[in-house]
Amino acid sequence: AQSVAQPEDQVNVAEGNPLTVKCTYSVSGNPYLFWYVQYPNRGLQFLLKYITGDNLVKGSYGFEAEFNKSQTSFHLKKPSALVSDSALYFCAVRESGAGSYQLTFGKGTKLSVIP
Amino acid sequence: SQTIHQWPATLVQPVGSPLSLECTVEGTSNPNLYWYRQAAGRGLQLLFYSVGIGQISSEVPQNLSASRPQDRQFILSSKKLLLSDSGFYLCAWSVGVYRGTAYEQYFGPGTRLTVT
Repeated sequence: AQSVAQPEDQVNVAEGNPLTVKCTYSVSGNPYLFWYVQYPNRGLQFLLKYITGDNLVKGSYGFEAEFNKSQTSFHLKKPSALVSDSALYFCAVRESGAGSYQLTFGKGTKLSVIP
Repeated sequence: SQTIHQWPATLVQPVGSPLSLECTVEGTSNPNLYWYRQAAGRGLQLLFYSVGIGQISSEVPQNLSASRPQDRQFILSSKKLLLSDSGFYLCAWSVGVYRGTAYEQYFGPGTRLTVT
């Protein structure tokens, strides 16, 4: 079975400071990992994904994520937070080669960027 | 480019009434299609997915059903709504190739359903 944990319900960061949103996963084999962002009353927007290769993945809006196999983590990062980054962030995982199409999502982390 | 539409955007229905939510995708063919429910603005629960016309897989047993009458149309239905059916319903699509591929899912704008 695959699972995702986002240990922080909420993260507060000052505008201009670096931000990190944490994600750890559990799969039997190799993972495919994804980050999504959701603004209030909107659908989820895809930010980035890790399939294989370079452990540092760059995505939309200046976000990046670092895959760490030994720690089974895929933390989302941004060097300088903007107020407009305030939103709900979801990490998701699927086992590569698995017989299911299902993405397993974390419960989400609310990011608040303080002006 | 591809776009995904959902309607209605909001819906208020009484308990026991029927439901029909529609999702359509433009700009792609043979997509995989998904229905999710999001409760209380947080975790997503996969309800149904479809890899082709008439092919529906249910992830969670409940009083909801899904149909795919056309390649790029996905419908979520219920004959009798329950209070517990309230939530934010999201449709998503992904490239439909092989199960082992890592194609991301793209989400529609969602339908806010309130059952009273």
